[in-house]
Amino acid sequence: GESVGLHLPTLSVQEGDNSIINCAYSNSASDYFIWYKQESGKGPQFIIDIRSNMDKRQGQRVTVLLNKTVKHLSLQIAATQPGDSAVYFCAEKGAGGTSYGKLTFGQGTILTVHP
Amino acid sequence: DADVTQTPRNRITKTGKRIMLECSQTKGHDRMYWYRQDPGLGLRLIYYSFDVKDINKGEISDGYSVSRQAQAKFSLSLESAIPNQTALYFCATSDTASGGHNTQYFGPGTRLTVL
Repeated sequence: GESVGLHLPTLSVQEGDNSIINCAYSNSASDYFIWYKQESGKGPQFIIDIRSNMDKRQGQRVTVLLNKTVKHLSLQIAATQPGDSAVYFCAEKGAGGTSYGKLTFGQGTILTVHP
Repeated sequence: DADVTQTPRNRITKTGKRIMLECSQTKGHDRMYWYRQDPGLGLRLIYYSFDVKDINKGEISDGYSVSRQAQAKFSLSLESAIPNQTALYFCATSDTASGGHNTQYFGPGTRLTVL
């Protein structure tokens, strides 16, 4: 029979606004985090990364914030454009044991930018 | 990412058929991965390979097998396809020389439908 998937979180913004996409990660021992963007019909594309010894990292129009106390990661997109519309995933890299080197992905957030 | 290619891009098959999905990369990376993506469930790791002689099961390896024919090639096989293997399949690569960050780069995906 047909399976019904979970509904992804969604964020709708107007062009030019700033966007904030949040992610709660699970493993307090994870030492590296990545944000990916996935456009319709394409594979995930690397946006920005951050090591666990940092709490902020900036790229072009994007900033990632890491709060290890509450295991929270956020992606801020400045002056959001229609081309930013996509699904955004966070990923964490395990630091030891059987999870070493593996990435665990969040479910994703759908960002829709209205002109 | 054009450096990671997957074939076929779309495939419709019937229950019980054997299917092979192929992945090639020109990035020179030593690590390769196969994921499946289902609506609302994010990316789940099927198999991964850290070099040509290394094959490891991921979280959902049952019903799948892989072959690492060369550093640049990693194929995924479904020995006897079943409808709940209908999904998007992604190949990814990463580089040990990246200092352990394990940033993964994804192919464009293969949409597989099992009737």
